[in-house]
Formats: sequence, C-alpha cells, structure tokens
Amino acid sequence: AQKITQTQPGMFVQEKEAVTLDCTYDTSDPSYGLFWYKQPSSGEMIFLIYQGSYDQQNATEGRYSLNFQKARKSANLVISASQLGDSAMYFCAMSSRGYSTLTFGKGTMLLVSP
Amino acid sequence: ETGVTQTPRHLVMGMTNKKSLKCEQHLGHNAMYWYKQSAKKPLELMFVYSLEERVENNSVPSRFSPECPNSSHLFLHLHTLQPEDSALYLCASSQELENTEAFFGQGTRLTVV
Repeated sequence: AQKITQTQPGMFVQEKEAVTLDCTYDTSDPSYGLFWYKQPSSGEMIFLIYQGSYDQQNATEGRYSLNFQKARKSANLVISASQLGDSAMYFCAMSSRGYSTLTFGKGTMLLVSP
Repeated sequence: ETGVTQTPRHLVMGMTNKKSLKCEQHLGHNAMYWYKQSAKKPLELMFVYSLEERVENNSVPSRFSPECPNSSHLFLHLHTLQPEDSALYLCASSQELENTEAFFGQGTRLTVV
C-alpha cells in the first residue's frame, strides 16, 4: 500500500522568501509518480509539479521545484520568492502501478504574510 | 472556461433525498475520477473510469452510484446519504490512466442534514 506523510500542518513565510514543504512517501512499487497540488479556498486542486521515480533530475516549474531524494523517500516542494497568492493548502500525492490514481497526504496550510 | 467543470458548487440535501453531482471535462481526456475530501482527512479515491468503463471502486457504499455515459461526462448519483457523507467531492480527469497528471474541478461542497 502507498502512503504519503506531510508532517507540517501549517507553515508561515514572509513574502519574497523561499519555503520548503515536506513530503515523505512509502511504496513497494518500483515505478511511481510524485505530484504536488495547491488547493486555494475556492476548492479547486491545481496541479503544480510532477516527478517520476526514474527521473534523474529534480523537476522544476517556474517558482516551484521538487527536491527528490529517492533513497530517503522524500519529495519536498520548494517555493521560491513566495507571493501572497501562494497562501493555500498544499498536497503531496503519489501514483503507482502505472496508474494516475492518486494517494494524497493530509496537506500543509501555507500562509504568506506581507 | 476551466478544463473540468463540476455542478452544483454547493448542495444541501436531506437524508431521504436523491441528487446527482455532475462533472464535465473539456480536455479530451480518457480517464475520470471521483474523490472525496472530508475535514481533517486525506483525499480518498472513490471511483475511476477509463474510456467509460469503471476500473476501480474503492469499497464505496452503494448509496453512491457513479455513471459515465461518455468520456466527457461523469455523474455521482446520491441517495439516502448520512450526515458523515458531508464533504467536498472532487472530480478529476487525466489524459490516460497511466502516469499523467490529473486535473481537478472546483468540487461540490455537499452537506447532508
């Protein structure tokens, strides 16, 4: 069975600073994918970034980067230069067995202050 | 127009009511999903459809009944729900069933009274 653990219920950061959101995972499948989603108060889950288990390089998408450490089974999200609009819930998720069905963590609430 | 659209956005229903949630995707995707998001719990996968065929049913009570009439539409029919079924119900779609990112709708906030 797959499991995603997000140990930070909430994080605070000042505008323009970088922040790291932690995510560890557990799976026995050799092939899997790791995702980060953002959920603002409107409810929609917004896809941010994807890392495949066989990808050699860490994924990056604009201000988002994924710090993938396979041996430690961690997939932390780094947001550089935080903006007020980044305030939201952030979910780490994993797919495996070649399927796009996702197992989610409990999420981390990020609050960005001026 | 967003890629995945869910209606209604909010729904309040009694335990004896019958209602349906609708999801429509305009992305040309082949796989669609229903997830349930309860307070203080991780999102839970409920149903998966690929090319209009159900491929996964995660031990969901029969009071939830999915329907996928075509690859663009997904319904969740609700009847005789319980108050603990109150949650945010999210629909998602992906290009294929294999490792591709899923795109979510804004969800239906369901309250059962």
